[in-house]
Amino acid sequence: GEDVEQSLFLSVREGDSSVINCTYTDSSSTYLYWYKQEPGAGLQLLTYIFSNMDMKQDQRLTVLLNKKDKHLSLRIADTQTGDSAIYFCAEGSNAGNMLTFGGGTRLMVKP
Amino acid sequence: ETGVTQSPTHLIKTRGQQVTLRCSSQSGHNTVSWYQQALGQGPQFIFQYYREEENGRGNFPPRFSGLQFPNYSSELNVNALELDDSALYLCASLNTGVNEQYFGPGTRLTVT
Repeated sequence: GEDVEQSLFLSVREGDSSVINCTYTDSSSTYLYWYKQEPGAGLQLLTYIFSNMDMKQDQRLTVLLNKKDKHLSLRIADTQTGDSAIYFCAEGSNAGNMLTFGGGTRLMVKP
Repeated sequence: ETGVTQSPTHLIKTRGQQVTLRCSSQSGHNTVSWYQQALGQGPQFIFQYYREEENGRGNFPPRFSGLQFPNYSSELNVNALELDDSALYLCASLNTGVNEQYFGPGTRLTVT
């Protein structure tokens, strides 16, 4: 079945760039997503990329997709303390929009 | 704010009981998905409803059931609650054909 893997934890200093990585196994994935979850809250959609793209930029966020290696990354430029949260990548196919999530990466931003 | 609302916010139930969770989708969205998020894990897809019918299901037993109403709101029902059903239950709404899914704040269910 589908599997999405993420590293558990990332710590950066305020103002540095953060790079969160994700690998997936389903070659039929059509869309790949990044969600942010703050403590006690639901999931906030940050950005997503279609599988025929290799890069998408949205303000401080840059998504890179290596479809050959099934590797997705999220770069956050000028990371702020308010970026501290858990970040989930998820993959979806056209078949019903069911999302398969990774286990999440906890980002800690030190002042 | 996504416009997706869920109720109740928190719920405590006893093993063996039944529970109903509710979700109101974002205006204009005709599809609702439900996810279970156990502590420290990523969300797991339970099922999806489109036009009041189940439109895809994850690896969850039949005691997890749902409904969608003509106004696109939805309910998740869980019968014969087990301790492992303790989790954050998230609903997400979307419009079929548009690939952005927006999540509600979740309902935290504790089974004792």
